[in-house]
Amino acid sequence: ETGVTQTPRHLVMGMTNKKSLKCEQHLGHNAMYWYKQSAKKPLELMFVYNFKEQTENNSVPSRFSPECPNSSHLFLHLHTLQPEDSALYLCASSQQNRVQNEKLFFGSGTQLSVL
Amino acid sequence: GQQLNQSPQSMFIQEGEDVSMNCTSSSIFNTWLWYKQEPGEGPVLLIALYKAGELTSNGRLTAQFGITRKDSFLNISASIPSDVGIYFCAGLSGAGSYQLTFGKGTKLSVIP
Repeated sequence: ETGVTQTPRHLVMGMTNKKSLKCEQHLGHNAMYWYKQSAKKPLELMFVYNFKEQTENNSVPSRFSPECPNSSHLFLHLHTLQPEDSALYLCASSQQNRVQNEKLFFGSGTQLSVL
Repeated sequence: GQQLNQSPQSMFIQEGEDVSMNCTSSSIFNTWLWYKQEPGEGPVLLIALYKAGELTSNGRLTAQFGITRKDSFLNISASIPSDVGIYFCAGLSGAGSYQLTFGKGTKLSVIP
């Protein structure tokens, strides 16, 4: 148990569906992240939120829409996805300070399949 | 962008053997992290390194921050079956930088 909980663990959706991924952290951290993990590729950072403000958006297509209502919760809203979006989506949290970021703590991920 | 070259890509070893893997870059990093990911789970932090030359242990795991600040090494001694998984290195380039750069991982298989 890392203190970061993701739901659902598995999701299968059609290209016309709309679904949302949920992440909750119980570590008191001030930053939350979405990463995409595809086979044989490094983890790809998608979005970063610090104190509920989005600080990074790594050229992610608009069919992925993040939402961070507070520092403990993070959502990723999905719509009109493509089959190549099938991957493991990982949420992470950390305590950022002025000097540097600290360690990331990851959730177990949502394995997404787009048909 | 920054890249981390992690090697080997995969390894098969006998239970009880020692394991070494490394991560190199053409860029300087101020922090090195090593993670392990088991099937169906997210990466779990193993060791964090903050100073060039630093050597840190966590049980049978030992990691070093290279003195050039462009590489890091992870060693596992006396491997056991539960060491199976994918090991990732990650680097953080400097003050004010919040974006970790990850390697592609080393997949470790342990033969009982």
